[in-house]
Amino acid sequence: GEEVAQTPKHLVRGEGQKAKLYCAPIKGHSYVFWYQQVLKNEFKFLISFQNENVFDETGMPKERFSAKCLPNSPCSLEIQATKLEDSAVYFCASSQSGNTEAFFGQGTRLTVV
Amino acid sequence: GQQVMQIPQYQHVQEGEDFTTYCNSSTTLSNIQWYKQRPGGHPVFLIQLVKSGEVKKQKRLTFQFGEAKKNSSLHITATQTTDVGTYFCAGLLSGGYNKLIFGAGTRLAVHP
Repeated sequence: GEEVAQTPKHLVRGEGQKAKLYCAPIKGHSYVFWYQQVLKNEFKFLISFQNENVFDETGMPKERFSAKCLPNSPCSLEIQATKLEDSAVYFCASSQSGNTEAFFGQGTRLTVV
Repeated sequence: GQQVMQIPQYQHVQEGEDFTTYCNSSTTLSNIQWYKQRPGGHPVFLIQLVKSGEVKKQKRLTFQFGEAKKNSSLHITATQTTDVGTYFCAGLLSGGYNKLIFGAGTRLAVHP
């Protein structure tokens, strides 16, 4: 498709529960990025993929966060044992070559209560 | 770590006034991109600057990339209420990192 599709739009989880977010990048785009946007609007880079391979995961809190981009499946971002501070909007973006414009999805708003 | 600083955080203007937001990187950038995010929305790509000293225009918007490829600015002439939103610069690091480092954004409010 011609837009990045993220599901769900909203997700509410109790503290300690698991959360799983999905992202279908634009067809033909090789790079996928995940960003976390918190209330102050700042974007925190989490992880990037080149096709199904992790390209850069320097932003991931690895003890609880994991992500995958498998062939013929939406990419996913999973948070085990969510914490209150994980409440944020998670954006997925894709780009054709990694150094060109990034197309963002609508985001998933995660609320941890 | 690598940082992109953006100022001001917030700008409130009367419709018709000009607006400028500035970005400064601690390291040389491969390119810089600008995005606009409306309240409740997602970032939408505006432009990419690649060359040292590059200047690009889109109607009332003028984008500049510094000679050292460390700083950039976005200038809007004669703001309109439709310009409301948060403008983010995002620097792509040199060396093939393919990671956009976002500035903190400048929230623009335009009053009629």
